[in-house]
Order: sequence, then C-alpha cells, then structure tokens
Amino acid sequence: SSELTQDPAVSVALGQTVRITCQGDSLRSYYASWYQQKPGQAPVLVIYGKNNRPSGIPDRFSGSSSGNTASLTITGAQAEDEADYYCNSRDSSGNHLGVVFGGGTKLTVL
Amino acid sequence: QVQLVQSGAEVKKPGASVKVSCKASGYTFTGYYMHWVRQAPGQGLEWMGWINPNSGGTNYAQKFQGRVTMTRDTSISTAYMELSRLRSDDTAVYYCARDKGGQLVLLWWFDPWGQGTLVTVSS
Repeated sequence: SSELTQDPAVSVALGQTVRITCQGDSLRSYYASWYQQKPGQAPVLVIYGKNNRPSGIPDRFSGSSSGNTASLTITGAQAEDEADYYCNSRDSSGNHLGVVFGGGTKLTVL
Repeated sequence: QVQLVQSGAEVKKPGASVKVSCKASGYTFTGYYMHWVRQAPGQGLEWMGWINPNSGGTNYAQKFQGRVTMTRDTSISTAYMELSRLRSDDTAVYYCARDKGGQLVLLWWFDPWGQGTLVTVSS
C-alpha cells in the first residue's frame, strides 16, 4: 500500500499560524482528510475534501493540496488546538479500495 | 444526532478471538459504509477495513486478511469486528467510524467515530 508521511512534532506560539503537512503519492490522485485527536479521546474529522469543515469546526482550520502534499493550516492557534493530527486518503496502490493514514503530528501550542 | 456506541473493554489471552460491536443511531444504518481503525498504545491510527452494511460486502487491509471478519446486523443497526488468533501486539483501542459518503458512496472520510474499545491481549 502507499504511505503518507507527517512530521512527528510541530509547535506554534499562541495566536500564530501553523501548517501541518502530509506527503504521499496517493495525494496526487485523492484528497486528504484531517483528524484531530486529544489524549484519551476518539479522533474528530476537521477537514475533508478540497477544503471542507464539518459543522462545529472553527474556521481557523483550513486545508489545501499541491502535488503530493496536503496541508492543514490553523490560523490563530488556540490552546485547545494542542493535539495529535492525522491525515488519511484513499490508497492509490495495492488495495485501491483501502485507506492509508499518516503517522500523525503532535502539535504543541506555546 | 449521529452516534456510534461501542462495546466495553476486553481482556483476552493470546490465540483467542475478540468481537467488538458498534451500535449506530441517528441515521439510516444501511446507507453508509462503516470502517474499523485501531490504535496501539502511543501509536498512530491503522485502518483495518470496511463493511457495506447494506450488502454485507467487505474490504480488509492486507495485514489483517485471514484474521479479521466484519459483519453487521441490520435489525439492530450494529456492526461487528472480530479479530482472531490474537497476539500481544494486537493490544490496541479499536474504533468504528462511519464513512461520510451517503447513499453507499465511499469517500474514505470518517465522521463520526465511536468512543473506542480497548482490547488487551495478555497471558
């Protein structure tokens, strides 16, 4: 199966903007979706498709994509945004009906 | 509201099987694919497979082929994931997650997720 690569850890000062990236061949064909996971909780979808937010997700979260890289941007990071973030997409090799996840990025808000 | 409620924590011995349930409410159960994802302690998310609740058709990640079985009972809007021949490295939280596509369209976007079921494999 294809793979998605994320930086293990990223930090941002309170109120500043941070970009979390996800790289992989499958992203040339398919959109990524992004999930926020806080300790002891289930993941929550924050971005899907080209740049869509489920209801209840603040508009400081946005998504973009170029080539083999998808990005999640948080504009004006808040303390409550500190969490692990995972990307995923449809698999583009091997199991074409399957899913691949990135390894996750731990976001620290300073 | 759309909700997925999973069964409680399990402790199993190596070689045994475990069956986790995921009860759906707030939407038409047979209209959305259901995925299963697991997360080992301190690790990332790992996709295991999906089930089409309408037909019962399944697609499993190669890693779990031969050990995982996903089923459903439409009469009670519940999906099941059974993993056999358990090993210590199967210790993880197992999640069900509904695909966001309706009318049985697969979009590979997961929303919402169940609360998770901790499965501990230990002798």
